[in-house]
Amino acid sequence: EIVLTQSPGTLSLSPGERATLSCRASQSVNSNYLAWYQQKPGQAPRLLIYGASSRATGIPDRFSGSGSGTDFTLTISRLEPEDFAVYYCQQFGSSPLYTFGQGTKLEIK
Amino acid sequence: EVQLLESGGGLVQPGGSLRLSCAASGFTFSSYAMSWVRQAPGKGLDWVSTITTNGGSTSFADSVKGRFTISRDNSKNTLYLQMNSLRAEDTAVYYCASRYNSGGKVCFDYWGQGTLVTVSS
Repeated sequence: EIVLTQSPGTLSLSPGERATLSCRASQSVNSNYLAWYQQKPGQAPRLLIYGASSRATGIPDRFSGSGSGTDFTLTISRLEPEDFAVYYCQQFGSSPLYTFGQGTKLEIK
Repeated sequence: EVQLLESGGGLVQPGGSLRLSCAASGFTFSSYAMSWVRQAPGKGLDWVSTITTNGGSTSFADSVKGRFTISRDNSKNTLYLQMNSLRAEDTAVYYCASRYNSGGKVCFDYWGQGTLVTVSS
């Protein structure tokens, strides 16, 4: 079973700053199967990045994804007030079929 | 506009049963594999189950295997989750999600708003 570990658990930054969120896998992950989601309180998750680096429809270009193998990164180049939320990485594998990281909470400093 | 609308959640006693539904619109439902993902209060996301486009293949997390059944009715554009032998640890918001698969890239592209299941005596 592949375990995804996200760091940091909480990231405190100010609007306008750059955010770098990490997702580390316990085994190598096919980049095609690595996605990132954003979740705000009381809302469903929203797809941001799929295939490790492809932005989903309607996602601003300040969001970018990178990485391969066991190390993946979500970068928000310049934080907007609406970007403060919880972010999850996810991988598609064999058993279990899908696993999520535990999440990184991005909070306003 | 793509919409996924879950229903059927509520309060149930331990050992009881509940059936969740997810009504889909705005896309060709029969062309998409569908999944259920849950989120316990204050916790992260946890994949529960997935069903292929024609319902011919299903997969379950170990934590629900043998207790939950996933099904779909493509004529009604509806996904179901039958939950039996419910436990307190099944308490969560249950989301349905459509699985995007193009060019070998896989993810959940659309999510419903969720339905809360509370297992308690």
